[in-house]
Amino acid sequence: AQSVSQHNHHVILSEAASLELGCNYSYGGTVNLFWYVQYPGQHLQLLLKYFSGDPLVKGIKGFEAEFIKSKFSFNLRKPSVQWSDTAEYFCAVNAQDTGRRALTFGSGTRLQVQP
Amino acid sequence: GAGVSQTPSNKVTEKGKYVELRCDPISGHTALYWYRQSLGQGPEFLIYFQGTGAADDSGLPNDRFFAVRPEGSVSTLKIQRTERGDSAVYLCASSSSLSGGARNEQFFGPGTRLTVL
Repeated sequence: AQSVSQHNHHVILSEAASLELGCNYSYGGTVNLFWYVQYPGQHLQLLLKYFSGDPLVKGIKGFEAEFIKSKFSFNLRKPSVQWSDTAEYFCAVNAQDTGRRALTFGSGTRLQVQP
Repeated sequence: GAGVSQTPSNKVTEKGKYVELRCDPISGHTALYWYRQSLGQGPEFLIYFQGTGAADDSGLPNDRFFAVRPEGSVSTLKIQRTERGDSAVYLCASSSSLSGGARNEQFFGPGTRLTVL
């Protein structure tokens, strides 16, 4: 079974600060990795995903994430946050080797960007 | 185009009652998922349909929970003898079944907030 840990539960940043949100997963096989975002009053939407190849993936709105296999990590980054990035961010995985589609989510990180 | 829709948006019921939650996936999406999100937690998988059949129901917590998708489109999640611990936001998602399988993006609906008094 897979599990996902997001260590930062609540992050407060000022605009233009750099962002890094941690995500670690536990699974013995190959995984697909996702970051989803939920803006206030909106539903979950995909930021970016990683399956294979270049471990640095770029998503929408200037976000990127780096897969480090040796650390079982998939941290989300953004060089300069904006007030509109205030949202809850969820890391998720599913098993690439079994093809099982169910996503296992972390508990989320609430990001608050102050103007 | 239209996204995933869920009805009702809010449901308040009393302990012991039966509830049905509906999900309308994106047109043409053959894969449909149900998740449950409790306060302060990430979504937790319940069940996955491929077409009309439940391909993976390993996340259903007990036999009070049941879901159907009789025509391969709309799905209904049914909860019998509701308990206070069932209170949560129930999320539905759908994805395309073109090549990609587990890699395909799951598109989420707005959820149904269930409150059991």
